[in-house]
Amino acid sequence: DAKTTQPTSMDCAEGRAANLPCNHSTISGNEYVYWYRQIHSQGPQYIIHGLKNNETNEMASLIITEDRKSSTLILPHATLRDTAVYYCIVSPGEKDSNYQLIWGAGTKLIIKP
Amino acid sequence: SAVISQKPSRDICQRGTSLTIQCQVDSQVTMMFWYRQQPGQSLTLIATANQGSEATYESGFVIDKFPISRPNLTFSTLTVSNMSPEDSSIYLCSHNGVGTDTQYFGPGTRLTVL
Repeated sequence: DAKTTQPTSMDCAEGRAANLPCNHSTISGNEYVYWYRQIHSQGPQYIIHGLKNNETNEMASLIITEDRKSSTLILPHATLRDTAVYYCIVSPGEKDSNYQLIWGAGTKLIIKP
Repeated sequence: SAVISQKPSRDICQRGTSLTIQCQVDSQVTMMFWYRQQPGQSLTLIATANQGSEATYESGFVIDKFPISRPNLTFSTLTVSNMSPEDSSIYLCSHNGVGTDTQYFGPGTRLTVL
């Protein structure tokens, strides 16, 4: 079973920051937080991942709470093309899981003009 | 990340037949994976394709139904055997990024079984 809880759906206005929350209260010390998204009818796209420090790349920022029990993915200036299902996944990565990812239901993010 | 492609992108098949899906990566990767995504659902891992050995299947998936090949470090196939309408899904392959723990996905194969 997935170890994360996400809202089923969210709306965001185009041009605004989209903040997607994820709860992972049972996360283990060696588990990373990964975010992927899936635009309709396409394969999932990797966005970002982190262990305990906040991370930023060209797509998004990942804010992980100090206790690591929750995180927030931030799309700083959402566009219509960011409409997708966003998945938050916790995984130990290669050493302890052989790269296995367990997918929950995700959050359907709709960007509105 | 290595570019990953799948063939066919979609197919409509008759029940009782089999379909082989190909997954090609443009550089050598250690791990390749096959997932199923049923309509309106999230992804479920079918198996890990191991180069030079048999695939490792997840609970609920068996080799007779989903035989997998991994002849080299850039290519894998998944066969959906003796299909029924319940096999209608998107089938996705993925690989681990070289030197990272991140998985990268192909575009998927949309299968409809009549």
